[in-house]
Amino acid sequence: DQQVKQNSPSLSVQEGRISILNCDYTNSMFDYFLWYKKYPAEGPTFLISISSIKDKNEDGRFTVFLNKSAKHLSLHIVPSQPGDSAVYFCAASGGNTPLVFGKGTRLSVIA
Amino acid sequence: DAGVIQSPRHEVTEMGQEVTLRCKPISGHNSLFWYRQTMMRGLELLIYFNNNVPIDDSGMPEDRFSAKMPNASFSTLKIQPSEPRDSAVYFCASSALGTWGGDTQYFGPGTRLTVL
Repeated sequence: DQQVKQNSPSLSVQEGRISILNCDYTNSMFDYFLWYKKYPAEGPTFLISISSIKDKNEDGRFTVFLNKSAKHLSLHIVPSQPGDSAVYFCAASGGNTPLVFGKGTRLSVIA
Repeated sequence: DAGVIQSPRHEVTEMGQEVTLRCKPISGHNSLFWYRQTMMRGLELLIYFNNNVPIDDSGMPEDRFSAKMPNASFSTLKIQPSEPRDSAVYFCASSALGTWGGDTQYFGPGTRLTVL
């Protein structure tokens, strides 16, 4: 069973517009959430994180929102740039669980 | 600063052969993780070391898989014998604090394994 789900395998957005990537989780013990970005032929790189005591964390063009009651988080990228085209992984951890990754969403930003 | 180093970057082998993947974590990091990425299952944690000691290997798929960390700067993941279904990208990651998630993991570039 998938504890972290990214239901959209791909997303296309025009340059300059907002990209919204979604992630749902099932384990109520998760208390720390991360987004990683992965370019082809490279390993995932850490992008932004959020603790369950917050509902929003912002870093430049990237904002992560956490809705604990819905067990849902989202990553907003504003404005989207062609260099943001990559696969984005949502990950979660908490309690005694190791970091669990979703399957990823491939974002394509079209110039 | 060098990041996590993995070798080889690509490995093509025939079914039944032994495969050894290598990882050098970031200097000073206490924890090391091995992951496997496939289209079907995404990123799966195979095994986790803290201070060179295996903590959780519940993700290791079968006895054909084994991992060692003889010292703080080197780890291996071995598959013997290899099978075509082992074809995947294998990532090594390290982190500084040794906790599960409240600590960023830094990934290597991965080893793409193809078993014919």
